[in-house]
Amino acid sequence: AQSVTQPDIHITVSEGASLELRCNYSYGATPYLFWYVQSPGQGLQLLLKYFSGDTLVQGIKGFEAEFKRSQSSFNLRKPSVHWSDAAEYFCAVGGPGGSYIPTFGRGTSLIVHP
Amino acid sequence: DAGVIQSPRHEVTEMGQEVTLRCKPISGHDYLFWYRQTMMRGLELLIYFNNNVPIDDSGMPEDRFSAKMPNASFSTLKIQPSEPRDSAVYFCASSTTSPGETQYFGPGTRLLVL
Repeated sequence: AQSVTQPDIHITVSEGASLELRCNYSYGATPYLFWYVQSPGQGLQLLLKYFSGDTLVQGIKGFEAEFKRSQSSFNLRKPSVHWSDAAEYFCAVGGPGGSYIPTFGRGTSLIVHP
Repeated sequence: DAGVIQSPRHEVTEMGQEVTLRCKPISGHDYLFWYRQTMMRGLELLIYFNNNVPIDDSGMPEDRFSAKMPNASFSTLKIQPSEPRDSAVYFCASSTTSPGETQYFGPGTRLLVL
C-alpha cells in the first residue's frame, strides 16, 4: 500500500533563511508526487507535482522539490522564506502503480520568525 | 472560474441533529472528493465520485454518513444523526479527467457538534 511520511510535525525558521521540508514515501512503482500548502482557514493548494522527467521540479511561490528514487524522498525546498510562507504543508503520493487517488501525509506546520 | 465552492463555511449543531454539507465542483471536472480533516487523524478521504457515480466510499466512517452527487455541479455530504466526534473540517475537492491529477480544494466547512 502506498504511504507518505512527513517526519517533522513542526518546523521553525527565521524569515530569509532557507527551508527544507522532508517527505518520504512508500510506493511500488514510479509515483506521482505532490506538495500542497494550506494557509489558515483555507483549503489545500497545489505547490508543485512530479509525474515523470526532470527530478527537480519547480513550483509556485519560489518552491522546488527533488525526487530521489534511491531515497524514496520528495523534499520541498525554498532558498529564502517569507513570513507569508507560514502554513501547513502536505506531501502526497499516488499513481498508476497503486492507487491513483493520492495518499496524503500528516503535514508539517511551518512557523516563520521575523 | 470561482473554484470549488462549499457551504456553509461554518456549522454549529447539537448532537443528534442532521447536518448537510454542500459542494459545487469546478465546471468540467469529472472527479469529486470529500475529505475530513482533524488534528488526530489528519486528512482522510471519505468518498469520491467519477461522473457523478460513487466509486469508493470505504472511507466513510459509519452508516450515519452518506454522500450524493445528483448532477455534475452539486454534491452533498450528510451526517444523520451527528455526534460530537464528527466535529472536523470537511473539504470537497475536484479534479479533471484523471483521479491522479491535481485536486482543487474548496475552503472547507468547519463543523462543530455540541
